Amino acid sequence: DAKTTQPTSMDCAEGRAANLPCNHSTISGNEYVYWYRQIHSQGPQYIIHGLKNNETNEMASLIITEDRKSSTLILPHATLRDTAVYYCIVSLYGNKLVFGAGTILRVKS
Amino acid sequence: NAGVTQTPKFQVLKTGQSMTLQCAQDMNHEYMSWYRQDPGMGLRLIHYSVGAGITDQGEVPNGYNVSRSTTEDFPLRLLSAAPSQTSVYFCASSYIGQGFDYGYTFGSGTRLTVV
Repeated sequence: DAKTTQPTSMDCAEGRAANLPCNHSTISGNEYVYWYRQIHSQGPQYIIHGLKNNETNEMASLIITEDRKSSTLILPHATLRDTAVYYCIVSLYGNKLVFGAGTILRVKS
Repeated sequence: NAGVTQTPKFQVLKTGQSMTLQCAQDMNHEYMSWYRQDPGMGLRLIHYSVGAGITDQGEVPNGYNVSRSTTEDFPLRLLSAAPSQTSVYFCASSYIGQGFDYGYTFGSGTRLTVV
């Protein structure tokens, strides 16, 4: 599985968009980009995934660069409840997930 | 649907004891996984299964056994507990069909302390 690189932590003002970057320069052509988050000590929560096209759902948007070597998760209007650790994972479709250290997002009022 | 149910929520073991962490899902998911999370760290994959009767090792399988006799259940056995196995254990399940991937659903975790 390809490795990912994420910033250790980020801050975001409440109500503003939170843009979380992820580098995955060794991604292979059939690997997907998945995003999960973990709030405090709860189990991780699935957010979104994509292959090469940009994706959007009720939680977030995923922007994948044309060369697929990096992506950005966008939370359009961050709230205090979005404070969590965000994990970017690259994996084959339907394959096991291997988590990295993730990005600690702190949303501040 | 109850989702992914893990029992017990908390457990204290003595070194050398064995026990089974239970995981059950009622969503007819084929894929199930076990992770451990040590304080301040990310999740590490222990074992996973892509269907009944099929299991495989993850990143940190030593000291743990799994079996998948039914689609619903995926128990994790600690053979001889060690203090290094003190951790929070998460079970997860997913349905992945042709063109459909809704991501893994995680349980609320089992907090295990080995003394």
